[in-house]
Amino acid sequence: DADVTQTPRNRITKTGKRIMLECSQTKGHDRMYWYRQDPGLGLRLIYYSFDVKDINKGEISDGYSVSRQAQAKFSLSLESAIPNQTALYFCATSDPGGTGELFFGEGSRLTVL
Amino acid sequence: GQQVMQIPQYQHVQEGEDFTTYCNSSTTLSNIQWYKQRPGGHPVFLIQLVKSGEVKKQKRLTFQFGEAKKNSSLHITATQTTDVGTYFCAANSGGSNYKLTFGKGTLLTVNP
Repeated sequence: DADVTQTPRNRITKTGKRIMLECSQTKGHDRMYWYRQDPGLGLRLIYYSFDVKDINKGEISDGYSVSRQAQAKFSLSLESAIPNQTALYFCATSDPGGTGELFFGEGSRLTVL
Repeated sequence: GQQVMQIPQYQHVQEGEDFTTYCNSSTTLSNIQWYKQRPGGHPVFLIQLVKSGEVKKQKRLTFQFGEAKKNSSLHITATQTTDVGTYFCAANSGGSNYKLTFGKGTLLTVNP
């Protein structure tokens, strides 16, 4: 089983719908992240969390919200999806006491029509 | 904010040829990481460079951190088809690795 699990892996939705992408991890890491990947644009940070009570905006947080339900769970919500939020979304974790290496989930491909 | 330029965007080589991707930052970095993403996969950590002028090797891969800690390179000697994928640098200019800035990546394709 993967250490960082994302659901759903693929989702097609319509403009205006609310979407939640979920991430769970078994690595015991305090830090969790949501990134967005678009072709040719690399990975851009949406939100990050250092622990259950800590949530921080990344460089492209507009139109997104997150919830850290537990140390192991970090969900990303699109309150009202729009077509330019069509992208591949990655959840990642890191250990603050480690090298800073990010451990990524398998990704969630979202298409907004 | 911090910007990280990575070139080239694409590189196609014949198997056996060498490959290099470069990463340049507008600011001095605390450290830099490199990741590989296979087609259809997720990014996987390769290495982290911390010291000025640092050079690290992993088999056919050589990673270098510039003396001024503003640039880095990844060199692959004698590419193989298994090297196909997108290589990303991820730069950290702060004291903690919580806010990495990723380059746009270099997509490497290898013709067998």
